[in-house]
Amino acid sequence: DTAVSQTPKYLVTQMGNDKSIKCEQNLGHDTMYWYKQDSKKFLKIMFSYNNKELIINETVPNRFSPKSPDKAHLNLHINSLELGDSAVYFCASSQEVDTDTQYFGPGTRLTVL
Amino acid sequence: AQTVTQSQPEMSVQEAETVTLSCTYDTSESNYYLFWYKQPPSRQMILVIRQEAYKQQNATENRFSVNFQKAAKSFSLKISDSQLGDTAMYFCAFSSSGGGADGLTFGKGTHLIIQP
Repeated sequence: DTAVSQTPKYLVTQMGNDKSIKCEQNLGHDTMYWYKQDSKKFLKIMFSYNNKELIINETVPNRFSPKSPDKAHLNLHINSLELGDSAVYFCASSQEVDTDTQYFGPGTRLTVL
Repeated sequence: AQTVTQSQPEMSVQEAETVTLSCTYDTSESNYYLFWYKQPPSRQMILVIRQEAYKQQNATENRFSVNFQKAAKSFSLKISDSQLGDTAMYFCAFSSSGGGADGLTFGKGTHLIIQP
């Protein structure tokens, strides 16, 4: 029954590794997003993905790449992890672009050692 | 670019009291959407209330209501009869209606503590 799910909920890894976070929504929504919440709880958009169109926040390093195998999934791949990547990452989805309410997943806490 | 400002980093009230969280925003757009999200210690982001800028009527959801002042670019959240379960971070968020999928722009949040 979970509307937006993410796996894993916790991820601890070493600097330099490559990791992925998976996101799935069963709401039939057309748009999915990735947000980063830093240690001060500030939330910032990373990516929006709608109808195969990807919009990237210009501040996101190109080590981060979203991959969408189908409309219900938007996975986040991170290459060459750095200490500063430690954060909580949230996936979200909405029916319409921008105008509609976004529903969030439970978040993935990434810790880079 | 839009900005959202929450000027109260932390607030504390007694159970059953009414509390108001402030939010101001800056935009040059005439149509947009505003949200309040709640993040309890469980970390889950939960929608509290949504306001469409072209609607003059303030949105309400049970004990939660907003005071939307478009000219002043203000969007405050009022929680009536506060309960212990209301303890959480509250985020004000802005969404453009331009269809550019820019996502939500969040304020820095207000940590609300409800004391028994």
